[in-house]
Amino acid sequence: SQKIEQNSEALNIQEGKTATLTCNYTNYSPAYLQWYRQDPGRGPVFLLLIRENEKEKRKERLKVTFDTTLKKSLFHITASQPADSATYLCALDMVSHNAGNMLTFGGGTRLMVKP
Amino acid sequence: DADVTQTPRNRITKTGKRIMLECSQTKGHDRMYWYRQDPGLGLRLIYYSFDVKDINKGEISDGYSVSRQAQAKFSLSLESAIPNQTALYFCATSDGLVETQYFGPGTRLLVL
Repeated sequence: SQKIEQNSEALNIQEGKTATLTCNYTNYSPAYLQWYRQDPGRGPVFLLLIRENEKEKRKERLKVTFDTTLKKSLFHITASQPADSATYLCALDMVSHNAGNMLTFGGGTRLMVKP
Repeated sequence: DADVTQTPRNRITKTGKRIMLECSQTKGHDRMYWYRQDPGLGLRLIYYSFDVKDINKGEISDGYSVSRQAQAKFSLSLESAIPNQTALYFCATSDGLVETQYFGPGTRLLVL
């Protein structure tokens, strides 16, 4: 069956360091992969989308890589700040509907950036 | 103003009661979704609608029903609430082109 795996353990890093989060998937070849940020008690917010033919995407301090051979995406936050502390979700277009594909979300990884 | 709104934001109800959660959007999107989120289980899809006349069950639809009153409105009902429906509920929309989803602020539901 199709599966998305994110590290369920929290990632604790020091302010200023680079945070790296991982999203692995199995038994699927997505057309694109997305990353979302979720703060406690609030809805997820879209951050970045990377397509299957793209190796890397950047947006300000954020960088996403996508390796369709290894079925893995890495999400990097450089020069991390305490305000980056949140849960980060990856999502793939795994479910087919007759009108197109839909997203399936991973369980998320919580990032804690300490001052 | 927020693009996707949900009412109520918090609700406490008793077992067996019928309740409705409402979602409205001003993004002009055709696609709307209802998810529930439980600690450690991530987002799980309850129902989705790709237009006003299209309603589909998601992963965990038992015990829930929905109504798409207009392009902008999508309501979720719990016909007879039970304690294991205590969760955080999110509405989301998308334009269907690349499926980027836009979420509402959530409704925290407690069923006693």
